[in-house]
Amino acid sequence: AQSVSQHNHHVILSEAASLELGCNYSYGGTVNLFWYVQYPGQHLQLLLKYFSGDPLVKGIKGFEAEFIKSKFSFNLRKPSVQWSDTAEYFCAVTGNSGNTPLVFGKGTRLSVIA
Amino acid sequence: DAGVIQSPRHEVTEMGQEVTLRCKPISGHNSLFWYRQTMMRGLELLIYFNNNVPIDDSGMPEDRFSAKMPNASFSTLKIQPSEPRDSAVYFCASKPAGTTTTQYFGPGTRLTVL
Repeated sequence: AQSVSQHNHHVILSEAASLELGCNYSYGGTVNLFWYVQYPGQHLQLLLKYFSGDPLVKGIKGFEAEFIKSKFSFNLRKPSVQWSDTAEYFCAVTGNSGNTPLVFGKGTRLSVIA
Repeated sequence: DAGVIQSPRHEVTEMGQEVTLRCKPISGHNSLFWYRQTMMRGLELLIYFNNNVPIDDSGMPEDRFSAKMPNASFSTLKIQPSEPRDSAVYFCASKPAGTTTTQYFGPGTRLTVL
């Protein structure tokens, strides 16, 4: 069965610290990978996505993620976090074969303190 | 582009009452997804439609839940009768056709069943 595992439930960082959020997936076949962000009280917004090509993808607000096929991973990174990055982050996967739904991880809550 | 529109944004009802949640997908998108978000279970896919046809409703919790998509611009999720355990945020998302396209989420409906 398809699944996404996010290792960290809650991460607390100081401003300017570097961020890496883990994401591993289990999915047969070619995959599309996504990171969504949900700011407090808001809906999910796309942060970045990987379909094919360069495994290092850059998204909005300075975020990037690297697809490592051999490790079934798609970790999210940011070199220097800001207080405004406080949010919940969801990794998601879908198959590359039509309009299939996303399978989401449980999410990682990021709290950035001044 | 107005994005995915959901109504109501908040709904408070009493146990046993019927609840209807509404969604208007982005114009031109041919897939529509209903998700439920709770603290305990995270984001769960309830049902999705391609070209107004329900494809997979295995995530619908039980017979009390039903969803329809009478046309390309409107979908409803109905709960009858509602129970306190149905309290959650319900998100609708839509997606254009194609294997390398992205789901866009609506603002969600926060449902509280007393």
